[in-house]
Amino acid sequence: DAKTTQPTSMDCAEGRAANLPCNHSTISGNEYVYWYRQIHSQGPQYIIHGLKNNETNEMASLIITEDRKSSTLILPHATLRDTAVYYCIVRVVHAGGTSYGKLTFGQGTILTVHP
Amino acid sequence: DTGVSQDPRHKITKRGQNVTFRCDPISEHNRLYWYRQTLGQGPEFLTYFQNEAQLEKSRLLSDRFSAERPKGSFSTLEIQRTEQGDSAMYLCASSLVEGAYEQYFGPGTRLTVT
Repeated sequence: DAKTTQPTSMDCAEGRAANLPCNHSTISGNEYVYWYRQIHSQGPQYIIHGLKNNETNEMASLIITEDRKSSTLILPHATLRDTAVYYCIVRVVHAGGTSYGKLTFGQGTILTVHP
Repeated sequence: DTGVSQDPRHKITKRGQNVTFRCDPISEHNRLYWYRQTLGQGPEFLTYFQNEAQLEKSRLLSDRFSAERPKGSFSTLEIQRTEQGDSAMYLCASSLVEGAYEQYFGPGTRLTVT
């Protein structure tokens, strides 16, 4: 799985958009970009994933650059409850008839939302 | 709520004792994963099952660790002869096989070895 690079920490004011970047310059064509977050003392929570196109769901938007070497997770109106560690993960889902399972987590970005 | 559940939530044990953790996945999910997380680090993959079959094991899973999923439903993770270095949060997740395999995590079992 391709390696990702994320800032160690970021701050955001409550009510503003939080934009979390992720670099994955060695991503290959069959690797998806996933975002998870982990609130203190809880298990990780799936947020969103994408392959090439931008994606949006009820939690967030995922913007993937055209060359797929980086992406941005956008929380449109951050709240105090969004304070968490955010993990960007890239991984193969299917290749050569094989489906893959594990997620490889890095250090993630600690997002702190301030009142 | 039909999310992933884990039991116990906390376990304190003395070095050298055996411990067993249980994970109940989301009912229709046929994949089940175990991860370990130490303080300040992201979760590390240990092993995963598809139905009853254990498809992959990490090198982190030493001979003292064993995982089972006998009927393709719940799973157990046993650690024999615990060491202080085994102190960590043990996380379980489940997913479908179809689609992009989003994994849904349980709350974890925090193990403290004294």
